[in-house]
Amino acid sequence: AQSVTQLDSQVPVFEEAPVELRCNYSSSVSVYLFWYVQYPNQGLQLLLKYLSGSTLVESINGFEAEFNKSQTSFHLRKPSVHISDTAEYFCAVSKNTGNQFYFGTGTSLTVIP
Amino acid sequence: DVKVTQSSRYLVKRTGEKVFLECVQDMDHENMFWYRQDPGLGLRLIYFSYDVKMKEKGDIPEGYSVSREKKERFSLILESASTNQTSMYLCASSSAGVSNQPQHFGDGTRLSIL
Repeated sequence: AQSVTQLDSQVPVFEEAPVELRCNYSSSVSVYLFWYVQYPNQGLQLLLKYLSGSTLVESINGFEAEFNKSQTSFHLRKPSVHISDTAEYFCAVSKNTGNQFYFGTGTSLTVIP
Repeated sequence: DVKVTQSSRYLVKRTGEKVFLECVQDMDHENMFWYRQDPGLGLRLIYFSYDVKMKEKGDIPEGYSVSREKKERFSLILESASTNQTSMYLCASSSAGVSNQPQHFGDGTRLSIL
């Protein structure tokens, strides 16, 4: 069975400080990994994804995530956060067979001025 | 860009009513999904569909049913609404064939059952 664990439910951080949102998964088969962001009163938007190749993936707004197979992790990082990054962040995995996604419980990032 | 449209952003219904939540996507996606989102629980899959007239139960199907008569439309039905079904409901779609395709989400319907 697949499961996704986001260890921190809430992360407050000061503006321009670095942040790391943690995600661990368990799976007996190969997986694809995703981070989604949800701004207040909106649906989820894809932030970045790891499918294959380089283990470090980047988004257009400065976030990056690194796939670590040995630690079964896909942590999300940003070196300097902005107020506009305040949102809920969800980690998700899908198996290499089938179309179902498994989501973590989310991490609420609050950027403090 | 993929557009997933949910018919209502906010909805208030009474206990015992039959409630319909509608979702339409414009990218000819084969797969469609209904989730509910609750604080501390993340997204939980209610039902999904891989094709027209086809449906599969997710993790929490009790009290819900779905309908997919056309490829672009996936409806979630609360047969007899109860207060514990007050939640945010999210619809998503994705293309078929390979599991590395991301899911695209609508803006959600915040449903309150009184």
